Amino acid sequence: DTEVTQTPKHLVMGMTNKKSLKCEQHMGHRAMYWYKQKAKKPPELMFVYSYEKLSINESVPSRFSPECPNSSLLNLHLHALQPEDSALYLCASSQDLGGTRYTFGSGTRLTVV
Amino acid sequence: GENVEQHPSTLSVQEGDSAVIKCTYSDSASNYFPWYKQELGKRPQLIIDIRSNVGEKKDQRIAVTLNKTAKHFSLHITETQPEDSAVYFCAASVTGANSKLTFGKGITLSVRP
Repeated sequence: DTEVTQTPKHLVMGMTNKKSLKCEQHMGHRAMYWYKQKAKKPPELMFVYSYEKLSINESVPSRFSPECPNSSLLNLHLHALQPEDSALYLCASSQDLGGTRYTFGSGTRLTVV
Repeated sequence: GENVEQHPSTLSVQEGDSAVIKCTYSDSASNYFPWYKQELGKRPQLIIDIRSNVGEKKDQRIAVTLNKTAKHFSLHITETQPEDSAVYFCAASVTGANSKLTFGKGITLSVRP
């Protein structure tokens, strides 16, 4: 298995809702990442996990809460989001902790209404 | 922090011609330079990468060159095909613990049949 799987593919949520995004990889990668991508923009780093521990938080608002339950799974919990949080949320994993050769998932297209 | 500049923002070439996309970076400590291709509505995919101890790397129709002194690197695509049409992102990072990949703004390449 050489893929990063993200679910759901699309999500529409209200500003008072709580939802979670899920990311799974079975390549044995020990570094996993959450990125946010707006239309016609590059991916922006949100969080980095190394060996299931949060190593980087790029000053992301607390309404985004990451979780890494095990080495294969990464979640992003969403609560009280704003319409400007609408974007493509990409998960990635890296074969080494040095941060090279990312494999990206297909993303979750999030719309906040 | 690292700043990656990518120019131009769009590039149109005739099928069969070569395309060259250039990026500059600011952090002289950066030692890893990947290129990602993102087709519309799809995930970014790594197409080639280069480390700072190498000046050039080639993979079939794609090559990347690195000039550490000038702090710029370029993607070369020969014999372009319509399926090469996509957004191309360059990126740079310092590998190691807490590595963060910084992306350029992306260039939209259109290959005219």
